[in-house]
Amino acid sequence: EAGVAQSPRYKIIEKRQSVAFWCNPISGHATLYWYQQILGQGPKLLIQFQNNGVVDDSQLPKDRFSAERLKGVDSTLKIQPAKLEDSAVYLCASSPNYRGTTEAFFGQGTRLTVV
Amino acid sequence: AQRVTQPEKLLSVFKGAPVELKCNYSYSGSPELFWYVQYSRQRLQLLLRHISRESIKGFTADLNKGETSFHLKKPFAQEEDSAMYYCALSGNTGGFKTIFGAGTRLFVKA
Repeated sequence: EAGVAQSPRYKIIEKRQSVAFWCNPISGHATLYWYQQILGQGPKLLIQFQNNGVVDDSQLPKDRFSAERLKGVDSTLKIQPAKLEDSAVYLCASSPNYRGTTEAFFGQGTRLTVV
Repeated sequence: AQRVTQPEKLLSVFKGAPVELKCNYSYSGSPELFWYVQYSRQRLQLLLRHISRESIKGFTADLNKGETSFHLKKPFAQEEDSAMYYCALSGNTGGFKTIFGAGTRLFVKA
């Protein structure tokens, strides 16, 4: 089966600019996650969708980050305006259900560098 | 508070030696525990989960609720085991979100 697709793979922007990342989960997976992974740290959950509804966004910096999952399939994560500390790899993952007992399938990630 | 702690950032062993990657967790309830692995230039992927009680690529992990640990073990390390390993926890407190430890880089020397 096709895996989780993310684009772009790399992005370099200046601080205060805007950026958007795109994710296409595995077909039929109801749950979609966005994680932020700063160098040397483990992935940190930013937002979790169940179909097109938000299950958890408690760690999403809502003053600058936004995410949507229209029609319960693809998702976009946006940062506006970006800060230096947003430099990280942004990982998208999907799983068949939200109960956490099944495997999360990860995309290759988008490496963001803010200069 | 939910927390996953991997005390070692780097673990270096010789080929054929036993390896143990430590993971401790803090969770009020009954969590699901996982080990994920990321090989060089590959995406993060599931290695094993405690509910399956299986051995994958020679690795096993036992959930010790008394010590709140889920250490990953392999009796004889291979060079191809060199990778980044993340312990993860999921549970119904806070909406079934999966949280990860900081990771341990395993380096198996020839």
